[in-house]
Amino acid sequence: RKEVEQDPGPFNVPEGATVAFNCTYSNSASQSFFWYRQDCRKEPKLLMSVYSSGNEDGRFTAQLNRASQYISLLIRDSKLSDSATYLCVVTRGSWGKLQFGAGTQVVVTP
Amino acid sequence: EAQVTQNPRYLITVTGKKLTVTCSQNMNHEYMSWYRQDPGLGLRQIYYSMNVEVTDKGDVPEGYKVSRKEKRNFPLILESPSPNQTSLYFCASNGRGGTDTQYFGPGTRLTVL
Repeated sequence: RKEVEQDPGPFNVPEGATVAFNCTYSNSASQSFFWYRQDCRKEPKLLMSVYSSGNEDGRFTAQLNRASQYISLLIRDSKLSDSATYLCVVTRGSWGKLQFGAGTQVVVTP
Repeated sequence: EAQVTQNPRYLITVTGKKLTVTCSQNMNHEYMSWYRQDPGLGLRQIYYSMNVEVTDKGDVPEGYKVSRKEKRNFPLILESPSPNQTSLYFCASNGRGGTDTQYFGPGTRLTVL
């Protein structure tokens, strides 16, 4: 079983709609959680960290559920520019070694 | 401008011909890593370094070597490349271990024939 699992999608979303997807992780000792965005095989870039209490950054909302071991990302009022692959990242250990999910593809259509 | 650079960006080579992919960062970061990305598998860590002369294996180190003689540079060496090392490679750096934002280089697309 992969340590971090994501639905690969694609999630086809009309412009202006809301899309949400989850990421599950298997290691209960995981300490920090992030969402990264990757455009078409370019380098990943940090979208947002995920905090225990949940957090919001503009149209993006991230949630953490430690009991069920998943994190979620919700995108409101989707824009064409939101089309990308969203990578779930989980860290563990003293150095904070990163484990990446394979990514969820989102395609926003006009 | 804060950045991580990698060279070359694209490389086609043949089995067994030694190659080096360079990585350099200008942010004075202590931590640097190499990842490979393959379809359906996500990014997998090859090696990482916590400081000069301190390196350790990641999840998929077989067939790779690294060195960290200077803080800014972290080259990836393939002594005898094989076709299963055909992949997209990313170098990354960050200042405080895995809990800090990772800054990625632009990637190196390697094909081994």
